[in-house]
Order: sequence, then structure tokens, then C-alpha cells
Amino acid sequence: DSGVTQTPKHLITATGQRVTLRCSPRSGDLSVYWYQQSLDQGLQFLIQYYNGEERAKGNILERFSAQQFPDLHSELNLSSLELGDSALYFCASSLTTGGYGYTFGSGTRLTVV
Amino acid sequence: DAKTTQPNSMESNEEEPVHLPCNHSTISGTDYIHWYRQLPSQGPEYVIHGLTSNVNNRMASLAIAEDRKSSTLILHRATLRDAAVYYCILRYGGSQGNLIFGKGTKLSVKP
Repeated sequence: DSGVTQTPKHLITATGQRVTLRCSPRSGDLSVYWYQQSLDQGLQFLIQYYNGEERAKGNILERFSAQQFPDLHSELNLSSLELGDSALYFCASSLTTGGYGYTFGSGTRLTVV
Repeated sequence: DAKTTQPNSMESNEEEPVHLPCNHSTISGTDYIHWYRQLPSQGPEYVIHGLTSNVNNRMASLAIAEDRKSSTLILHRATLRDAAVYYCILRYGGSQGNLIFGKGTKLSVKP
């Protein structure tokens, strides 16, 4: 157990739907990062939050959004889902805005049918 | 973030040392070299990082070339559990830039 908790572990949904992925960072960590991993694209950085504020954006689609709550957990919202959004979504956390080591969760596997 | 080049795959025998190379010829003076690995069906895991000097920890050693244009991750005695994809990442300022993953090296360990 890495200390980063992601729920749900698996999610199957239909095209056009909206889902929410949840991440609880390791205790004491203030930064949360979201990554998408698909077979053809590898690990893609999506977005970073630090203590409730957005800090950096990567290759995140406009249909996707995220937020970090006062208790530091984070949610990634994916809407108007397409088949190509099927992937593993990882959350990571670190103590500060950067942090020498990220701690990753075990991921949420999203399947869009 | 500067680019790294790693072999797509490598094979090793169990209990033998493994040297995983990484080329980063465009590295800048403020880029730290980070290594992560991803075991099957798991999230990436931090392995080691360094700037100029060689580094050792309980998991591995990192050997950095004098000109910093290449580095090698050394697993001293490979186990079956070390079979994973290993990512070499350059990170601006050690902790300021975000982790940008490349394709990594898939390490297979034979018993």
C-alpha cells in the first residue's frame, strides 16, 4: 500500500457519459497529480493541484476537469466520454509543489464501451 | 523537460547485476536525473535520483557520466520482482518541473 488511495479500481461506462475518479493523497502530502496511461500514449501528465489550487496543466482535454478539496482529496471529472478515453488513470502525491519523489496510487481502470 | 533515450527492452538473469542505460545529451545544468519503475498492473514507483555524483540507496545505484550526458541505473542482483518498465526522467531544478514520462525500458528477468 503506497498510501495514495484511488477509487474506484475499475469503471465501465458508456460513451457520452460522465464519471468521477477520486484520489486521497498520502497523509501530509499537499500536491496531487493526475496521469493518464493508455497503450499507445504511455503515461501522460494531465494536471497538478497544490493545497487546493491548480498549479500546472499538461495534456488535459477540455472535457476533463479536476479539483482538490480542503481535505486535500482530489477528483478528476471526465465527461462526454469517448472510446479513446479508455485508459488507466493514476493519481500521485508529493509533500510540496514538486517533491523529489512522487507516490503513485494503484490507478483506476476506465473502460468506455 | 529535456528528452531521454532508453532501449525499448532488456533481459537479465535472476541474481545477476543489471545496467540500464539512459542518454540525455541535451541535459541542462539544473536538470536532475530521476528513475521510476512500473511493475505490471501497478502505478510507477520512485527508484532514485541524482544531479552529478553517483547515488546509492536500498533499491539501486545511479551512475552519472562526468559530462552528465548519460547515466546508468544499476540493480545489483536482479530478482523476478524487478521485472518492470524503468523510466529515466530529467526534471528541472530537481523538484520544480513535473514528471514527464517517456516510453522507458521494459526489463525482463529470467529465472
